[in-house]
Amino acid sequence: NAGVTQTPKFRILKIGQSMTLQCAQDMNHNYMYWYRQDPGMGLKLIYYSVGAGITDKGEVPNGYNVSRSTTEDFPLRLELAAPSQTSVYFCASSQIDTQYFGPGTRLTVL
Amino acid sequence: DAKTTQPTSMDCAEGRAANLPCNHSTISGNEYVYWYRQIHSQGPQYIIHGLKNNETNEMASLIITEDRKSSTLILPHATLRDTAVYYCIVRVVSNDYKLSFGAGTTVTVRA
Repeated sequence: NAGVTQTPKFRILKIGQSMTLQCAQDMNHNYMYWYRQDPGMGLKLIYYSVGAGITDKGEVPNGYNVSRSTTEDFPLRLELAAPSQTSVYFCASSQIDTQYFGPGTRLTVL
Repeated sequence: DAKTTQPTSMDCAEGRAANLPCNHSTISGNEYVYWYRQIHSQGPQYIIHGLKNNETNEMASLIITEDRKSSTLILPHATLRDTAVYYCIVRVVSNDYKLSFGAGTTVTVRA
């Protein structure tokens, strides 16, 4: 039981490039979330999903897209990367009220 | 969701109890108090949550005042591995289970 896994661990992007951050969970959780955390700050919710095929915006969705075609996977897509998207990205899942977090992806946009 | 206020930082001695306060004076009757912590560079970890009764688990105890306007997370015997940022979160029970993280309290456990 791996819990929540995220790939890659680190990535450097050039301005304008695109990439997909992968998130997978093996706990059969219905709910999945994407957060970003800027240095010295708390986590901010980007997008979330309450089940396969259902997604919704969080607090800071601009510049990102998500899809949820399976229960296990919840990829986050960055189109046209900007320096403001330099951050650590955390994925989480929950069945009811306890969220389980992945180890994070550290993204730098130069 | 109600806002929370936590001290920016606090120190405690290894082996002693660490008492982390949280103010949530605008909390509503259907809002729970959650505590998570984040050890450096890792994803947050759930600690405990409660509605109005005091709660205890293997990690910590949660004391909620009778008027529910504040709470205290107690780590009974702090160790160096408890050094982390601790987040107090108030959340309405809803069908999306979203969490809203503030800046939290940076707790440093010293030997």
